Amino acid sequence: DAKTTQPPSMDCAEGRAANLPCNHSTISGNEYVYWYRQIHSQGPQYIIHGLKNNETNEMASLIITEDRKSSTLILPHATLRDTAVYYCIVRVDVGQGNTGKLIFGQGTTLQVKP
Amino acid sequence: KAGVTQTPRYLIKTRGQQVTLSCSPISGHRSVSWYQQTPGQGLQFLFEYFSETQRNKGNFPGRFSGRQFSNSRSEMNVSTLELGDSALYLCASSTGFRATPNYGYTFGSGTRLTVV
Repeated sequence: DAKTTQPPSMDCAEGRAANLPCNHSTISGNEYVYWYRQIHSQGPQYIIHGLKNNETNEMASLIITEDRKSSTLILPHATLRDTAVYYCIVRVDVGQGNTGKLIFGQGTTLQVKP
Repeated sequence: KAGVTQTPRYLIKTRGQQVTLSCSPISGHRSVSWYQQTPGQGLQFLFEYFSETQRNKGNFPGRFSGRQFSNSRSEMNVSTLELGDSALYLCASSTGFRATPNYGYTFGSGTRLTVV
């Protein structure tokens, strides 16, 4: 089962910030939070990941609460092309190295409206 | 640099047949993972290969198998196809090493398999 909980859908006005929440209350100390998105009929696209500190890249910002039990993905100026399913994933590690599989939940369908 | 390439993009097969799907990872990536995506079950992990060895496996029947070649290209095979195997099959590549600054997975566009 997925270790994250996300709202099934959200709307956002074009040009406004989209804030997508994710709950991961059972996350363990060495697990990262990853965000991916999937635009219809394409493969998931990596957005950002983080462990404890807030992270920012050219696509988005990731805010992780101090207790690490939840996080928020922020798309600062949403465009119509940001309409997609957004997945919040806690990366499960198995053994040494980067051997973990990704466990996807149902994600949040973000609809950006003009 | 080239992304993850999956072939073919679309495939129609008949129940009982078998099918082989191919995935070429990003150059230099040694890990290839396979996922099945259906409307009902979402994205589910099938298996992962690293340096020609399967090192992680999901909860799928033995009809689903895979392999990885020395050039890191991977194939997955589904034997005795069932209607329920109709899905988008995605592969993802990564370096396979934790130490890489960004060891996120890069996904291909998938193979859409329809079983009739």
